[in-house]
Amino acid sequence: AQSVSQHNHHVILSEAASLELGCNYSYGGTVNLFWYVQYPGQHLQLLLKYFSGDPLVKGIKGFEAEFIKSKFSFNLRKPSVQWSDTAEYFCAVRSVGGYQKVTFGTGTKLQVIP
Amino acid sequence: DGGITQSPKYLFRKEGQNVTLSCEQNLNHDAMYWYRQDPGQGLRLIYYSQIVNDFQKGDIAEGYSVSREKKESFPLTVTSAQKNPTAFYLCASSGAVYQPQHFGDGTRLSIL
Repeated sequence: AQSVSQHNHHVILSEAASLELGCNYSYGGTVNLFWYVQYPGQHLQLLLKYFSGDPLVKGIKGFEAEFIKSKFSFNLRKPSVQWSDTAEYFCAVRSVGGYQKVTFGTGTKLQVIP
Repeated sequence: DGGITQSPKYLFRKEGQNVTLSCEQNLNHDAMYWYRQDPGQGLRLIYYSQIVNDFQKGDIAEGYSVSREKKESFPLTVTSAQKNPTAFYLCASSGAVYQPQHFGDGTRLSIL
């Protein structure tokens, strides 16, 4: 069955610290991968996506993610976080071909301390 | 502007009642999805539909039903069989295969 695991449930960082949020998925076929962000009181926004090609993808607001197929991982990174990055981050996987099921992880709450 | 409209924003239900949440999109997207968001559990897929008159159960379909009679509409009914319906419900749609999902603003359902 298709599933997504986000191992960090709550992360607290000081401003300027580097960020890496883990995301692992399970699915035997071809996938698209996504990271979404939900700021307090707002709806989900797409941060970045991977469909094919270069496994290192860059998104908005200085975020990037690397797809490592052998590890079934798609970790999110940012070299230097800001207070405005305080939000909840969700990893998602979509199975390609047939029914395009999209499954989300449980989310990681990031709190950045000024 | 194109987008997804969910209504109502807040909904209250008495125990034992069925209630229907509306989701309409004018993005001409083929695929539509319903998720339930609970604190600490992320978004869990209830039902999804790739095309009109076809839909598939997600991971937590029990106690819910959907229909897809029109491309732009994908209503979700929370039935009395759903034992824990209080949650935030999100509708999403996506177009071509290599496109991400667009999300509505959600409906918060509470049991009186």
